Amino acid sequence: AQKITQTQPGMFVQEKEAVTLDCTYDTSDPSYGLFWYKQPSSGEMIFLIYQGSYDQQNATEGRYSLNFQKARKSANLVISASQLGDSAMYFCAMRGANTGGFKTIFGAGTRLFVKA
Amino acid sequence: GAVVSQHPSWVICKSGTSVKIECRSLDFQATTMFWYRQFPKQSLMLMATSNEGSKATYEQGVEKDKFLINHASLTLSTLTVTSAHPEDSSFYICSASIGGDTEAFFGQGTRLTVV
Repeated sequence: AQKITQTQPGMFVQEKEAVTLDCTYDTSDPSYGLFWYKQPSSGEMIFLIYQGSYDQQNATEGRYSLNFQKARKSANLVISASQLGDSAMYFCAMRGANTGGFKTIFGAGTRLFVKA
Repeated sequence: GAVVSQHPSWVICKSGTSVKIECRSLDFQATTMFWYRQFPKQSLMLMATSNEGSKATYEQGVEKDKFLINHASLTLSTLTVTSAHPEDSSFYICSASIGGDTEAFFGQGTRLTVV
């Protein structure tokens, strides 16, 4: 079975500090992709970062980096230098062949609050 | 990234009526489109996967006759909520991909309120 687990319902971070959002996953696919999305109150899903299961290096996109530990099946998102605009819901997601047609499944999400 | 347009952004309808939501890929051909439902403060739950020209594959527990999905072209998929009831009120969001293990791009979502 495919599963994404986000154990932090809510997180607080001080502006300009770094924060780590946790994500663990379970899959039987030999090849899969891991994604992080940001969902502000408007509802749109904003793609942040992608990590392929065979990628040797951790993905980085600007202030976002993904701490990928394949053996532990974790894909934590690190946001550096937090900004007030980072306050939103964050979803970890996974996509692989065995999820049936490469559908994307999502974790429960973590709500991030950035304090001024 | 590629653009997926979802329409309408929000809709209010009377109980018992049907509502159609469109999902269009504007600058790429979407072999596969996905429909999700999101209740307040919850995650996205996949409702169905549609491939162009074939019947949609529904997730367990999703009523096929209530949520009609059509994917007649490579740029358009529609979700029709038939005989809507207040409990169908939710945020519906689509995503589209060119197929295979490629990134799926999301529409803006549709907030449906049934009164």
